Amino acid sequence: GAVVSQHPSWVICKSGTSVKIECRSLDFQATTMFWYRQFPKQSLMLMATSNEGSKATYEQGVEKDKFLINHASLTLSTLTVTSAHPEDSSFYICSARESRSRTSGGPHTQYFGPGTRLTVL
Amino acid sequence: GEDVEQSLFLSVREGDSSVINCTYTDSSSTYLYWYKQEPGAGLQLLTYIFSNMDMKQDQRLTVLLNKKDKHLSLRIADTQTGDSAIYFCAASTDSWGKLQFGAGTQVVVTP
Repeated sequence: GAVVSQHPSWVICKSGTSVKIECRSLDFQATTMFWYRQFPKQSLMLMATSNEGSKATYEQGVEKDKFLINHASLTLSTLTVTSAHPEDSSFYICSARESRSRTSGGPHTQYFGPGTRLTVL
Repeated sequence: GEDVEQSLFLSVREGDSSVINCTYTDSSSTYLYWYKQEPGAGLQLLTYIFSNMDMKQDQRLTVLLNKKDKHLSLRIADTQTGDSAIYFCAASTDSWGKLQFGAGTQVVVTP
């Protein structure tokens, strides 16, 4: 259980185009999903927190008009990189947090997707 | 805010034990996690420990928490080549909290 998928797994696009990345929780409901960005050999940087049915909360320094997040259902969040440029090339990872903890008193664990490699030419 | 630090690299021989260390700064961190990331993949949750615990064992994995020193470790017994990966520790201040990740420790297992 607790599987999160991302689509596509990799994408190459031209500078100036927009790219949409999907994140789905396959076997559980997630009222909250997170979007991270990871540079080579570095840790994950939280970009935004996405709550179902409401606006995303962006971390400081992340442009919300550049990285559009939509969380339309309890199992789907999308990240759209608008007018992508080469500096947007990165590994984007989403995670989904369960609405209910699987263990009494335990954490509402985040389960991570496999990531999407974006290359902007 | 929370700062989580890890050593960057660990080389271990197959069959030996690996110990990966992590320190954090926020004493109100409630849950501490270990995630594994294989090349080109997302993060896989390995285990977590609640702040009122000192130790947690799960098969080959043992997590030790020294809350006083804000030090967390992950021991992998009988390390296998399949354990080669990057291991991240992460902390959150409550069960709903955002995760603060360390930079990751690359573990290389040699035959």
